[in-house]
Amino acid sequence: GAVVSQHPSRVICKSGTSVKIECRSLDFQATTMFWYRQFPKQSLMLMATSNEGSKATYEQGVEKDKFLINHASLTLSTLTVTSAHPEDSSFYICSARAGTETQYFGPGTRLLVL
Amino acid sequence: AQKVTQAQTEISVVEKEDVTLDCVYETRDTTYYLFWYKQPPSGELVFLIRRNSFDEQNEISGRYSWNFQKSTSSFNFTITASQVVDSAVYFCALPSGSARQLTFGSGTQLTVLP
Repeated sequence: GAVVSQHPSRVICKSGTSVKIECRSLDFQATTMFWYRQFPKQSLMLMATSNEGSKATYEQGVEKDKFLINHASLTLSTLTVTSAHPEDSSFYICSARAGTETQYFGPGTRLLVL
Repeated sequence: AQKVTQAQTEISVVEKEDVTLDCVYETRDTTYYLFWYKQPPSGELVFLIRRNSFDEQNEISGRYSWNFQKSTSSFNFTITASQVVDSAVYFCALPSGSARQLTFGSGTQLTVLP
C-alpha cells in the first residue's frame, strides 16, 4: 500500500519556540494532504487541507498564523507550529491522497511543549 | 451534514472471541465511500477498507469482515477469532466537503485479553 512518513516522530521543545513537522508520501504523488490533531482518547480533528502549490484551507477555529502549512511539492507538506505553548502539546498526524478517495496516514508526531 | 456514529466507546473481549464494531452514518450524498481505520497504541492509522456505496456485498479479508447495509446506513466491522494484536482503536470514516476530507467517528477502543 501507499506509504506516508512523518518526521520527527516525537519532539520536546520549550515554550516560545517553533517546531516544523514534515509529511512525505514515499511512493506516490499526493495531490492533497491533510493535517489532523488528536488529543488523548479522542478522535482526529481536521486542522487543514493543503493542495500542492496553493494555500492551505484551514478549519474553523484553527489559527493559520499559528499553524503554518506549506505544500511545496507533490510529495512533501510541512506543518510549522509557531511560538509553541503547552496547550499546543498534542499528537499531530498527516495524511495524503493521490486522487482517489483513500487517505493514507503518516505515523504521527507527538509534540510536547514545556 | 456528514456524521459518523460509533456508539461503542470501549469493548473488551477474550482472545478467540468474535467481536463486531458498529458504525452508523449520515450523508446527503447519493454515492459515497466508507472507510475503516485501525489505530494501534503506537498511534499510526492503518487503512483497513474502503467501500463504495454502490457495492452492498459483504467483504471478507482473513479474520476481518464488513457488513454494509445501505438501508440502515450502517457499516459494521467484525473480527473473527480475535487476537491480542487486534487491540487498538478502530475508526469508521466518511468523506465530506469539496476536498473530500474525512469525517471520523469517535472511535471504538477494542481490548483483546489473553
